[in-house]
Amino acid sequence: AQSVTQLDSQVPVFEEAPVELRCNYSSSVSVYLFWYVQYPNQGLQLLLKYLSGSTLVKGINGFEAEFNKSQTSFHLRKPSVHISDTAEYFCAVSGYNQAGTALIFGKGTTLSVSS
Amino acid sequence: DAGVTQSPTHLIKTRGQQVTLRCSPISGHKSVSWYQQVLGQGPQFIFQYYEKEERGRGNFPDRFSARQFPNYSSELNVNALLLGDSALYLCASSLLRDYNEQFFGPGTRLTVL
Repeated sequence: AQSVTQLDSQVPVFEEAPVELRCNYSSSVSVYLFWYVQYPNQGLQLLLKYLSGSTLVKGINGFEAEFNKSQTSFHLRKPSVHISDTAEYFCAVSGYNQAGTALIFGKGTTLSVSS
Repeated sequence: DAGVTQSPTHLIKTRGQQVTLRCSPISGHKSVSWYQQVLGQGPQFIFQYYEKEERGRGNFPDRFSARQFPNYSSELNVNALLLGDSALYLCASSLLRDYNEQFFGPGTRLTVL
């Protein structure tokens, strides 16, 4: 079975500071990995994805993530955050399993950026 | 191009009632998935449909059912509503069954009283 653990439920940070949101996964099969962002009262927007190839993945809004197979991690980073980055962030894993190709999400990390 | 659309936006029902939620995928996308997001949690997979056939089902009771139409739109039905069914229901579409970059709609907020 696949699972995702987001290690921090809340991350408060000041504007222009760097941030890292941590995600560990477990899977017995090859995986695709994703980070989604959810703003209040909205659906999910894809930030970035890892399918194969380079382990450093760049996404929208200046975010990037690094796939580490040996540590089964896919941490999200941004060198300098803005107030507008305040949102809920979800790490997700996808792979072949009994539920087809469903996305399995972590519980989310609330990023709060203050001035 | 229009994104994934869902209707209605909000819905209030009482326990025991039945509800139908609707989703239109991005044009050209043949796969639709449904997720339930309870407040404060990550989305949980309910169903995936591809080419009008059920391709995957999550750990939800038989009160939950879905179908996909020839135009690839989809409906999610929930019978005998419980208070615990209150959640944001998200629909996601993707181009192919096995390439799982999914694009999400804004969701339907269901409140069960």
